[in-house]
Amino acid sequence: AQSVAQPEDQVNVAEGNPLTVKCTYSVSGNPYLFWYVQYPNRGLQFLLKYITGDNLVKGSYGFEAEFNKSQTSFHLKKPSALVSDSALYFCAVRDRAGKSTFGDGTTLTVKP
Amino acid sequence: EAGVAQSPRYKIIEKRQSVAFWCNPISGHATLYWYQQILGQGPKLLIQFQNNGVVDDSQLPKDRFSAERLKGVDSTLKIQPAKLEDSAVYLCASSLGTPGQDNEKLFFGSGTQLSVL
Repeated sequence: AQSVAQPEDQVNVAEGNPLTVKCTYSVSGNPYLFWYVQYPNRGLQFLLKYITGDNLVKGSYGFEAEFNKSQTSFHLKKPSALVSDSALYFCAVRDRAGKSTFGDGTTLTVKP
Repeated sequence: EAGVAQSPRYKIIEKRQSVAFWCNPISGHATLYWYQQILGQGPKLLIQFQNNGVVDDSQLPKDRFSAERLKGVDSTLKIQPAKLEDSAVYLCASSLGTPGQDNEKLFFGSGTQLSVL
């Protein structure tokens, strides 16, 4: 069975500093990996995905993620955090049949 | 483009009552999903439709939950009878591509927050 682990419930960074939100996964076969963001009182929004190709994928709002096959990780990164990036972030892995499994989320707080 | 529409936004019921949620996906999206998101957890897939056929309902508690997607467009999710542990946000999502395609990403509705008292 596939699974996703987000080891940090909470990540706190200062505005302007780089941020990393960690994700590791387990899946049979080649992984399809996604990051979604959930702002308060709003639905989940797609940020970026890795299907194949370059290990560094770029997404919305200046976010990027690095796929590392040997470490089975897909960490979300941003070079310079904004207060408006504060939200709940979910990593997800999808199998060939289209079933997505989500992590339990990481709350990112960016302080001015 | 219009997003995924869900209603109602909130619902409060007593245990053993029944409740239904409605979802209208983005026009043209063949795949529709219902997720359950319990507070502090990630979304958990309940059921996946491809057009009006069920692709995966392995995690749907079929003794109390049912879902249908007539005509391959909008969908309803029903709980009868509800239990306290069903309190959660029920999310509907849709996608344009078929699973595994490069354009596969999920578009989520705002969800229905269910409280079972």
